[in-house]
Amino acid sequence: GEDVEQSLFLSVREGDSSVINCTYTDSSSTYLYWYKQEPGAGLQLLTYIFSNMDMKQDQRLTVLLNKKDKHLSLRIADTQTGDSAIYFCAERKNQGGKLIFGQGTELSVKP
Amino acid sequence: EPEVTQTPSHQVTQMGQEVILRCVPISNHLYFYWYRQILGQKVEFLVSFYNNEISEKSEIFDDQFSVERPDGSNFTLKIRSTKLEDSAMYFCASRLSTGGGDAEAFFGQGTRLTVV
Repeated sequence: GEDVEQSLFLSVREGDSSVINCTYTDSSSTYLYWYKQEPGAGLQLLTYIFSNMDMKQDQRLTVLLNKKDKHLSLRIADTQTGDSAIYFCAERKNQGGKLIFGQGTELSVKP
Repeated sequence: EPEVTQTPSHQVTQMGQEVILRCVPISNHLYFYWYRQILGQKVEFLVSFYNNEISEKSEIFDDQFSVERPDGSNFTLKIRSTKLEDSAMYFCASRLSTGGGDAEAFFGQGTRLTVV
């Protein structure tokens, strides 16, 4: 199947860390992505990880990949109110580069 | 920074009418995509396009849909006879290549299509 699964909601307090989880199904996927969508806006690429890596850090963002369990996570350190948005994980299929998205996790950051 | 641009940002159309959604991909990119997002749902792949032809399409992309790259810069999605269930946000994306060194797909801001 092509299902990418995410939990739908996450609520954290400002300054805490947020961890958004995702599971995917295709072990042949080459890249895994995190996109951010603010209300009424488009998809902003936050970060991505190549499937032969298990961790990638980019400023406040840390991506962890467990390829054996097909589990991907995005950790946002020192979460700010401006981080409130929907976060989509996506896997990239080998053929043609199409992306399969999860349902999105709505992150709510409370002051 | 180069970006994918889409026009219009919002289109309202009567059921049964034809609509054309327009996209200008990043100029040196070779692979183009359309996705849609029905309100509150996940982003779904519609079609990919390379070398002036469709390389892959989903079940959603039936005979009512077509894509075209008419002039080397625009990439359009046409819906021939719109239905209420076509109401969604439509995203265009482009990628330089699908080779191992090119990971990033850049998305436009989307066109919100409302069919009434």
